[in-house]
Amino acid sequence: QKEVEQNSGPLSVPEGAIASLNCTYSDRGSQSFFWYRQYSGKSPELIMFIYSNGDKEDGRFTAQLNKASQYVSLLIRDSQPSDSATYLCAVNMDTGRRALTFGSGTRLQVQP
Amino acid sequence: SAVISQKPSRDICQRGTSLTIQCQVDSQVTMMFWYRQQPGQSLTLIATANQGSEATYESGFVIDKFPISRPNLTFSTLTVSNMSPEDSSIYLCSVSQGASTDTQYFGPGTRLTVL
Repeated sequence: QKEVEQNSGPLSVPEGAIASLNCTYSDRGSQSFFWYRQYSGKSPELIMFIYSNGDKEDGRFTAQLNKASQYVSLLIRDSQPSDSATYLCAVNMDTGRRALTFGSGTRLQVQP
Repeated sequence: SAVISQKPSRDICQRGTSLTIQCQVDSQVTMMFWYRQQPGQSLTLIATANQGSEATYESGFVIDKFPISRPNLTFSTLTVSNMSPEDSSIYLCSVSQGASTDTQYFGPGTRLTVL
């Protein structure tokens, strides 16, 4: 069974620190990787996507992908209390259908 | 990205009844999907809504329980049939734009409670 694994947390970091969120996936042939943020009672909001090995930066967010280790991470620099949410990792394990498999999410708490 | 709306935003229904959820997009999109998010859980894909043909269902989901329509490139419906309390969830529509992208954007969701 194709799976995406995340630590459920909560991950607690002080304001201004770097938050590191991790995700592993089971299908070595996966090509597309996504991070979504979900506030309580809201729908998921796309933060970043990454297709190639290495780092991809967008403002305070950096996505890191290592296909050999089947590992993708999200770094949030200068964490703010408004970053407190659940972060969902999603992987396209079936490029023909473009359907996403989601991890269970990591709850991030940024302490003021 | 496309603007996605869903109706209703929430509903409380009786066991044994059916509810149809609508998803409307403000521009044509290639792919539309329906997900379920049960309380405290992550998202599970129910089906891919195909324009002009039958939806493609994931393992564990069947057409008789979750019939889906997609009459055009901007609209889809999901019906939750013969509901039970176990169907209480948030139902989310998502879309993917363009022929070469699998990036998905989500609608606001429909919160369903079955009594």
